[in-house]
Order: sequence, then structure tokens, then C-alpha cells
Amino acid sequence: AQSVAQPEDQVNVAEGNPLTVKCTYSVSGNPYLFWYVQYPNRGLQFLLKYITGDNLVKGSYGFEAEFNKSQTSFHLKKPSALVSDSALYFCAVREGGTDKLIFGTGTRLQVFP
Amino acid sequence: KAGVTQTPRYLIKTRGQQVTLSCSPISGHRSVSWYQQTPGQGLQFLFEYFSETQRNKGNFPGRFSGRQFSNSRSEMNVSTLELGDSALYLCASRDSSTNEKLFFGSGTQLSVL
Repeated sequence: AQSVAQPEDQVNVAEGNPLTVKCTYSVSGNPYLFWYVQYPNRGLQFLLKYITGDNLVKGSYGFEAEFNKSQTSFHLKKPSALVSDSALYFCAVREGGTDKLIFGTGTRLQVFP
Repeated sequence: KAGVTQTPRYLIKTRGQQVTLSCSPISGHRSVSWYQQTPGQGLQFLFEYFSETQRNKGNFPGRFSGRQFSNSRSEMNVSTLELGDSALYLCASRDSSTNEKLFFGSGTQLSVL
């Protein structure tokens, strides 16, 4: 069975500092990996995806993610955090050929001024 | 283009009642999927529809059902509501011909008393 794990419930970072939100995956075959963000009382917004190709994926709002096959990780990064980045972040893996996303438990990012 | 629209935004029901939630996908999107979000279980896949056919179903009891209409609009129904059905129900659509990512609506917050 496919799964993703987000080991941190919360990440705190000061504004202007780099941030990392961790995700590891367990899949059979090639992984289709995604990051989504959720703001309060809102649905999920797509940030970026890895299907194939370059291991460094660039996404929306200055975020990027590094796919590491040997470590089965897909960590979300941003060079300089903004207070407005504070939200709930979800890593997900897609079951091949379907729209079924298997989500991690989410990581709450808190950026302090 | 308008985004994914879910109605109603909030619902309050009592145990034993049934409820119908509605989702209008982005114009031109023929794939619609539903997810349940709760603090305890996180985000869980409910169903996936394409061209009025259910392509995939998550691990939920038969009280949860859905359908898709010829205009791609979708509804989900929960019968004999239980307290544990209280959740944010999210609908997502995808342009199956060109795009891997899902676009989510803001959700319907269902409270079962």
C-alpha cells in the first residue's frame, strides 16, 4: 500500500529564515507526489508536484521540493519564510491512474515576525 | 474561470438524518473526487467520478454514496447520519486531458448533533 508520512506536527520558523517541511513516502513503482496547502476555513491549494524528471521541483509562492529516491523523501522548502506562509501543509501521493490522493497527517507551519 | 463550487458551506443535522452535498467542478473538468477531512482521521478519499461513472471508492460504509451528472456536477449523500460523520467534505476536480493536479473547493462543513 502507498503512504506518506509527515513526521512533524508543527514547524516554527522566524520570518526571513529558510523553512523545511518534511515528507517521506512509501510506494510501489514510480511515485506521483504532491504538496498542498490549506489556509483556515479553506480548501486545499496546489503547491507543486513531482511526476518524473528533475529532482528539484519549483512550485507556487516561491516553494520548491526536493525529491530524493534513495531516502524516499520529498521535503518542501522555501529560502525565506513569510508570515503569510503560516498554514497547514499536506504531502500526498497519488495512486496511479486515479484521482485518489493519499495524504499525510499534515504539518502546521508557523512563521513568526 | 470560476473555481470549484461547493454548496452549502455549512450544514447542521441531527443523528439519523440524511444529507446531500453538491459540487460544481471547474468548467471543462470531467473528473470529480470527494474527500473527508476530520481532526482525528485527517484527509480521506471518498469517491472519484468521471463521465458519470464511479471509478474508485474509498473505504467508507455504504451510507456514503455519490453520483455525477452529465454536466459533470456531482453530489454526495450520507444517510443515517452518525456523530462521527461531522467533518469538512471537500470536492476536487481535474482536467483529465491535460493536468495532473486537483483543484479543491472550500468544502462543506457538516456538523451532526
